[in-house]
Amino acid sequence: AQRVTQPEKLLSVFKGAPVELKCNYSYSGSPELFWYVQYSRQRLQLLLRHISRESIKGFTADLNKGETSFHLKKPFAQEEDSAMYYCALSGRQGAQKLVFGQGTRLTINP
Amino acid sequence: DVKVTQSSRYLVKRTGEKVFLECVQDMDHENMFWYRQDPGLGLRLIYFSYDVKMKEKGDIPEGYSVSREKKERFSLILESASTNQTSMYLCASRLQGSSYNEQFFGPGTRLTVL
Repeated sequence: AQRVTQPEKLLSVFKGAPVELKCNYSYSGSPELFWYVQYSRQRLQLLLRHISRESIKGFTADLNKGETSFHLKKPFAQEEDSAMYYCALSGRQGAQKLVFGQGTRLTINP
Repeated sequence: DVKVTQSSRYLVKRTGEKVFLECVQDMDHENMFWYRQDPGLGLRLIYFSYDVKMKEKGDIPEGYSVSREKKERFSLILESASTNQTSMYLCASRLQGSSYNEQFFGPGTRLTVL
């Protein structure tokens, strides 16, 4: 079965501090992993995907198949990073369905 | 830019009513999805449609049905609304076969069932 777990419902850090949002997954094959973000009063949108290996808004995420993790990191948090973050998994490349984690609400304190 | 719109931002209905939630996308996407978003539970897939007149159950289809008569429109139907269906409902669309595999979301409909 496909499962995504985000162990932290809430995460609060100070501006300028490093941020790490945890994501663990369960899947027997080769997954495709994503981070989606929802800013206040905005729609849910894709932040980044592991295949692209890119940094978006200073965020990076590395797929660790040994630990089945896909943690989202940013070295220096900014106030505009405050949002709801969801980790998501697709069972194979190009598959239609996504399985989402429970979400982590990130708050950046000034 | 992909635009996904949902018919209502807020909806209040009574227990037992039949409720229709409409979703329209303007980018000719084959795949469309309905999720419900609940605090602590994340997004859970109710139904999805990979093309016109095609549908498949998601993880929590009980109490819901869907209709996809036209490519751009995907409707979610609550046959007899119940209080436990009070939630935020999100619609999404995706281009079939896209290597980028990105889903584009609507603004959501917050449904309250009294």
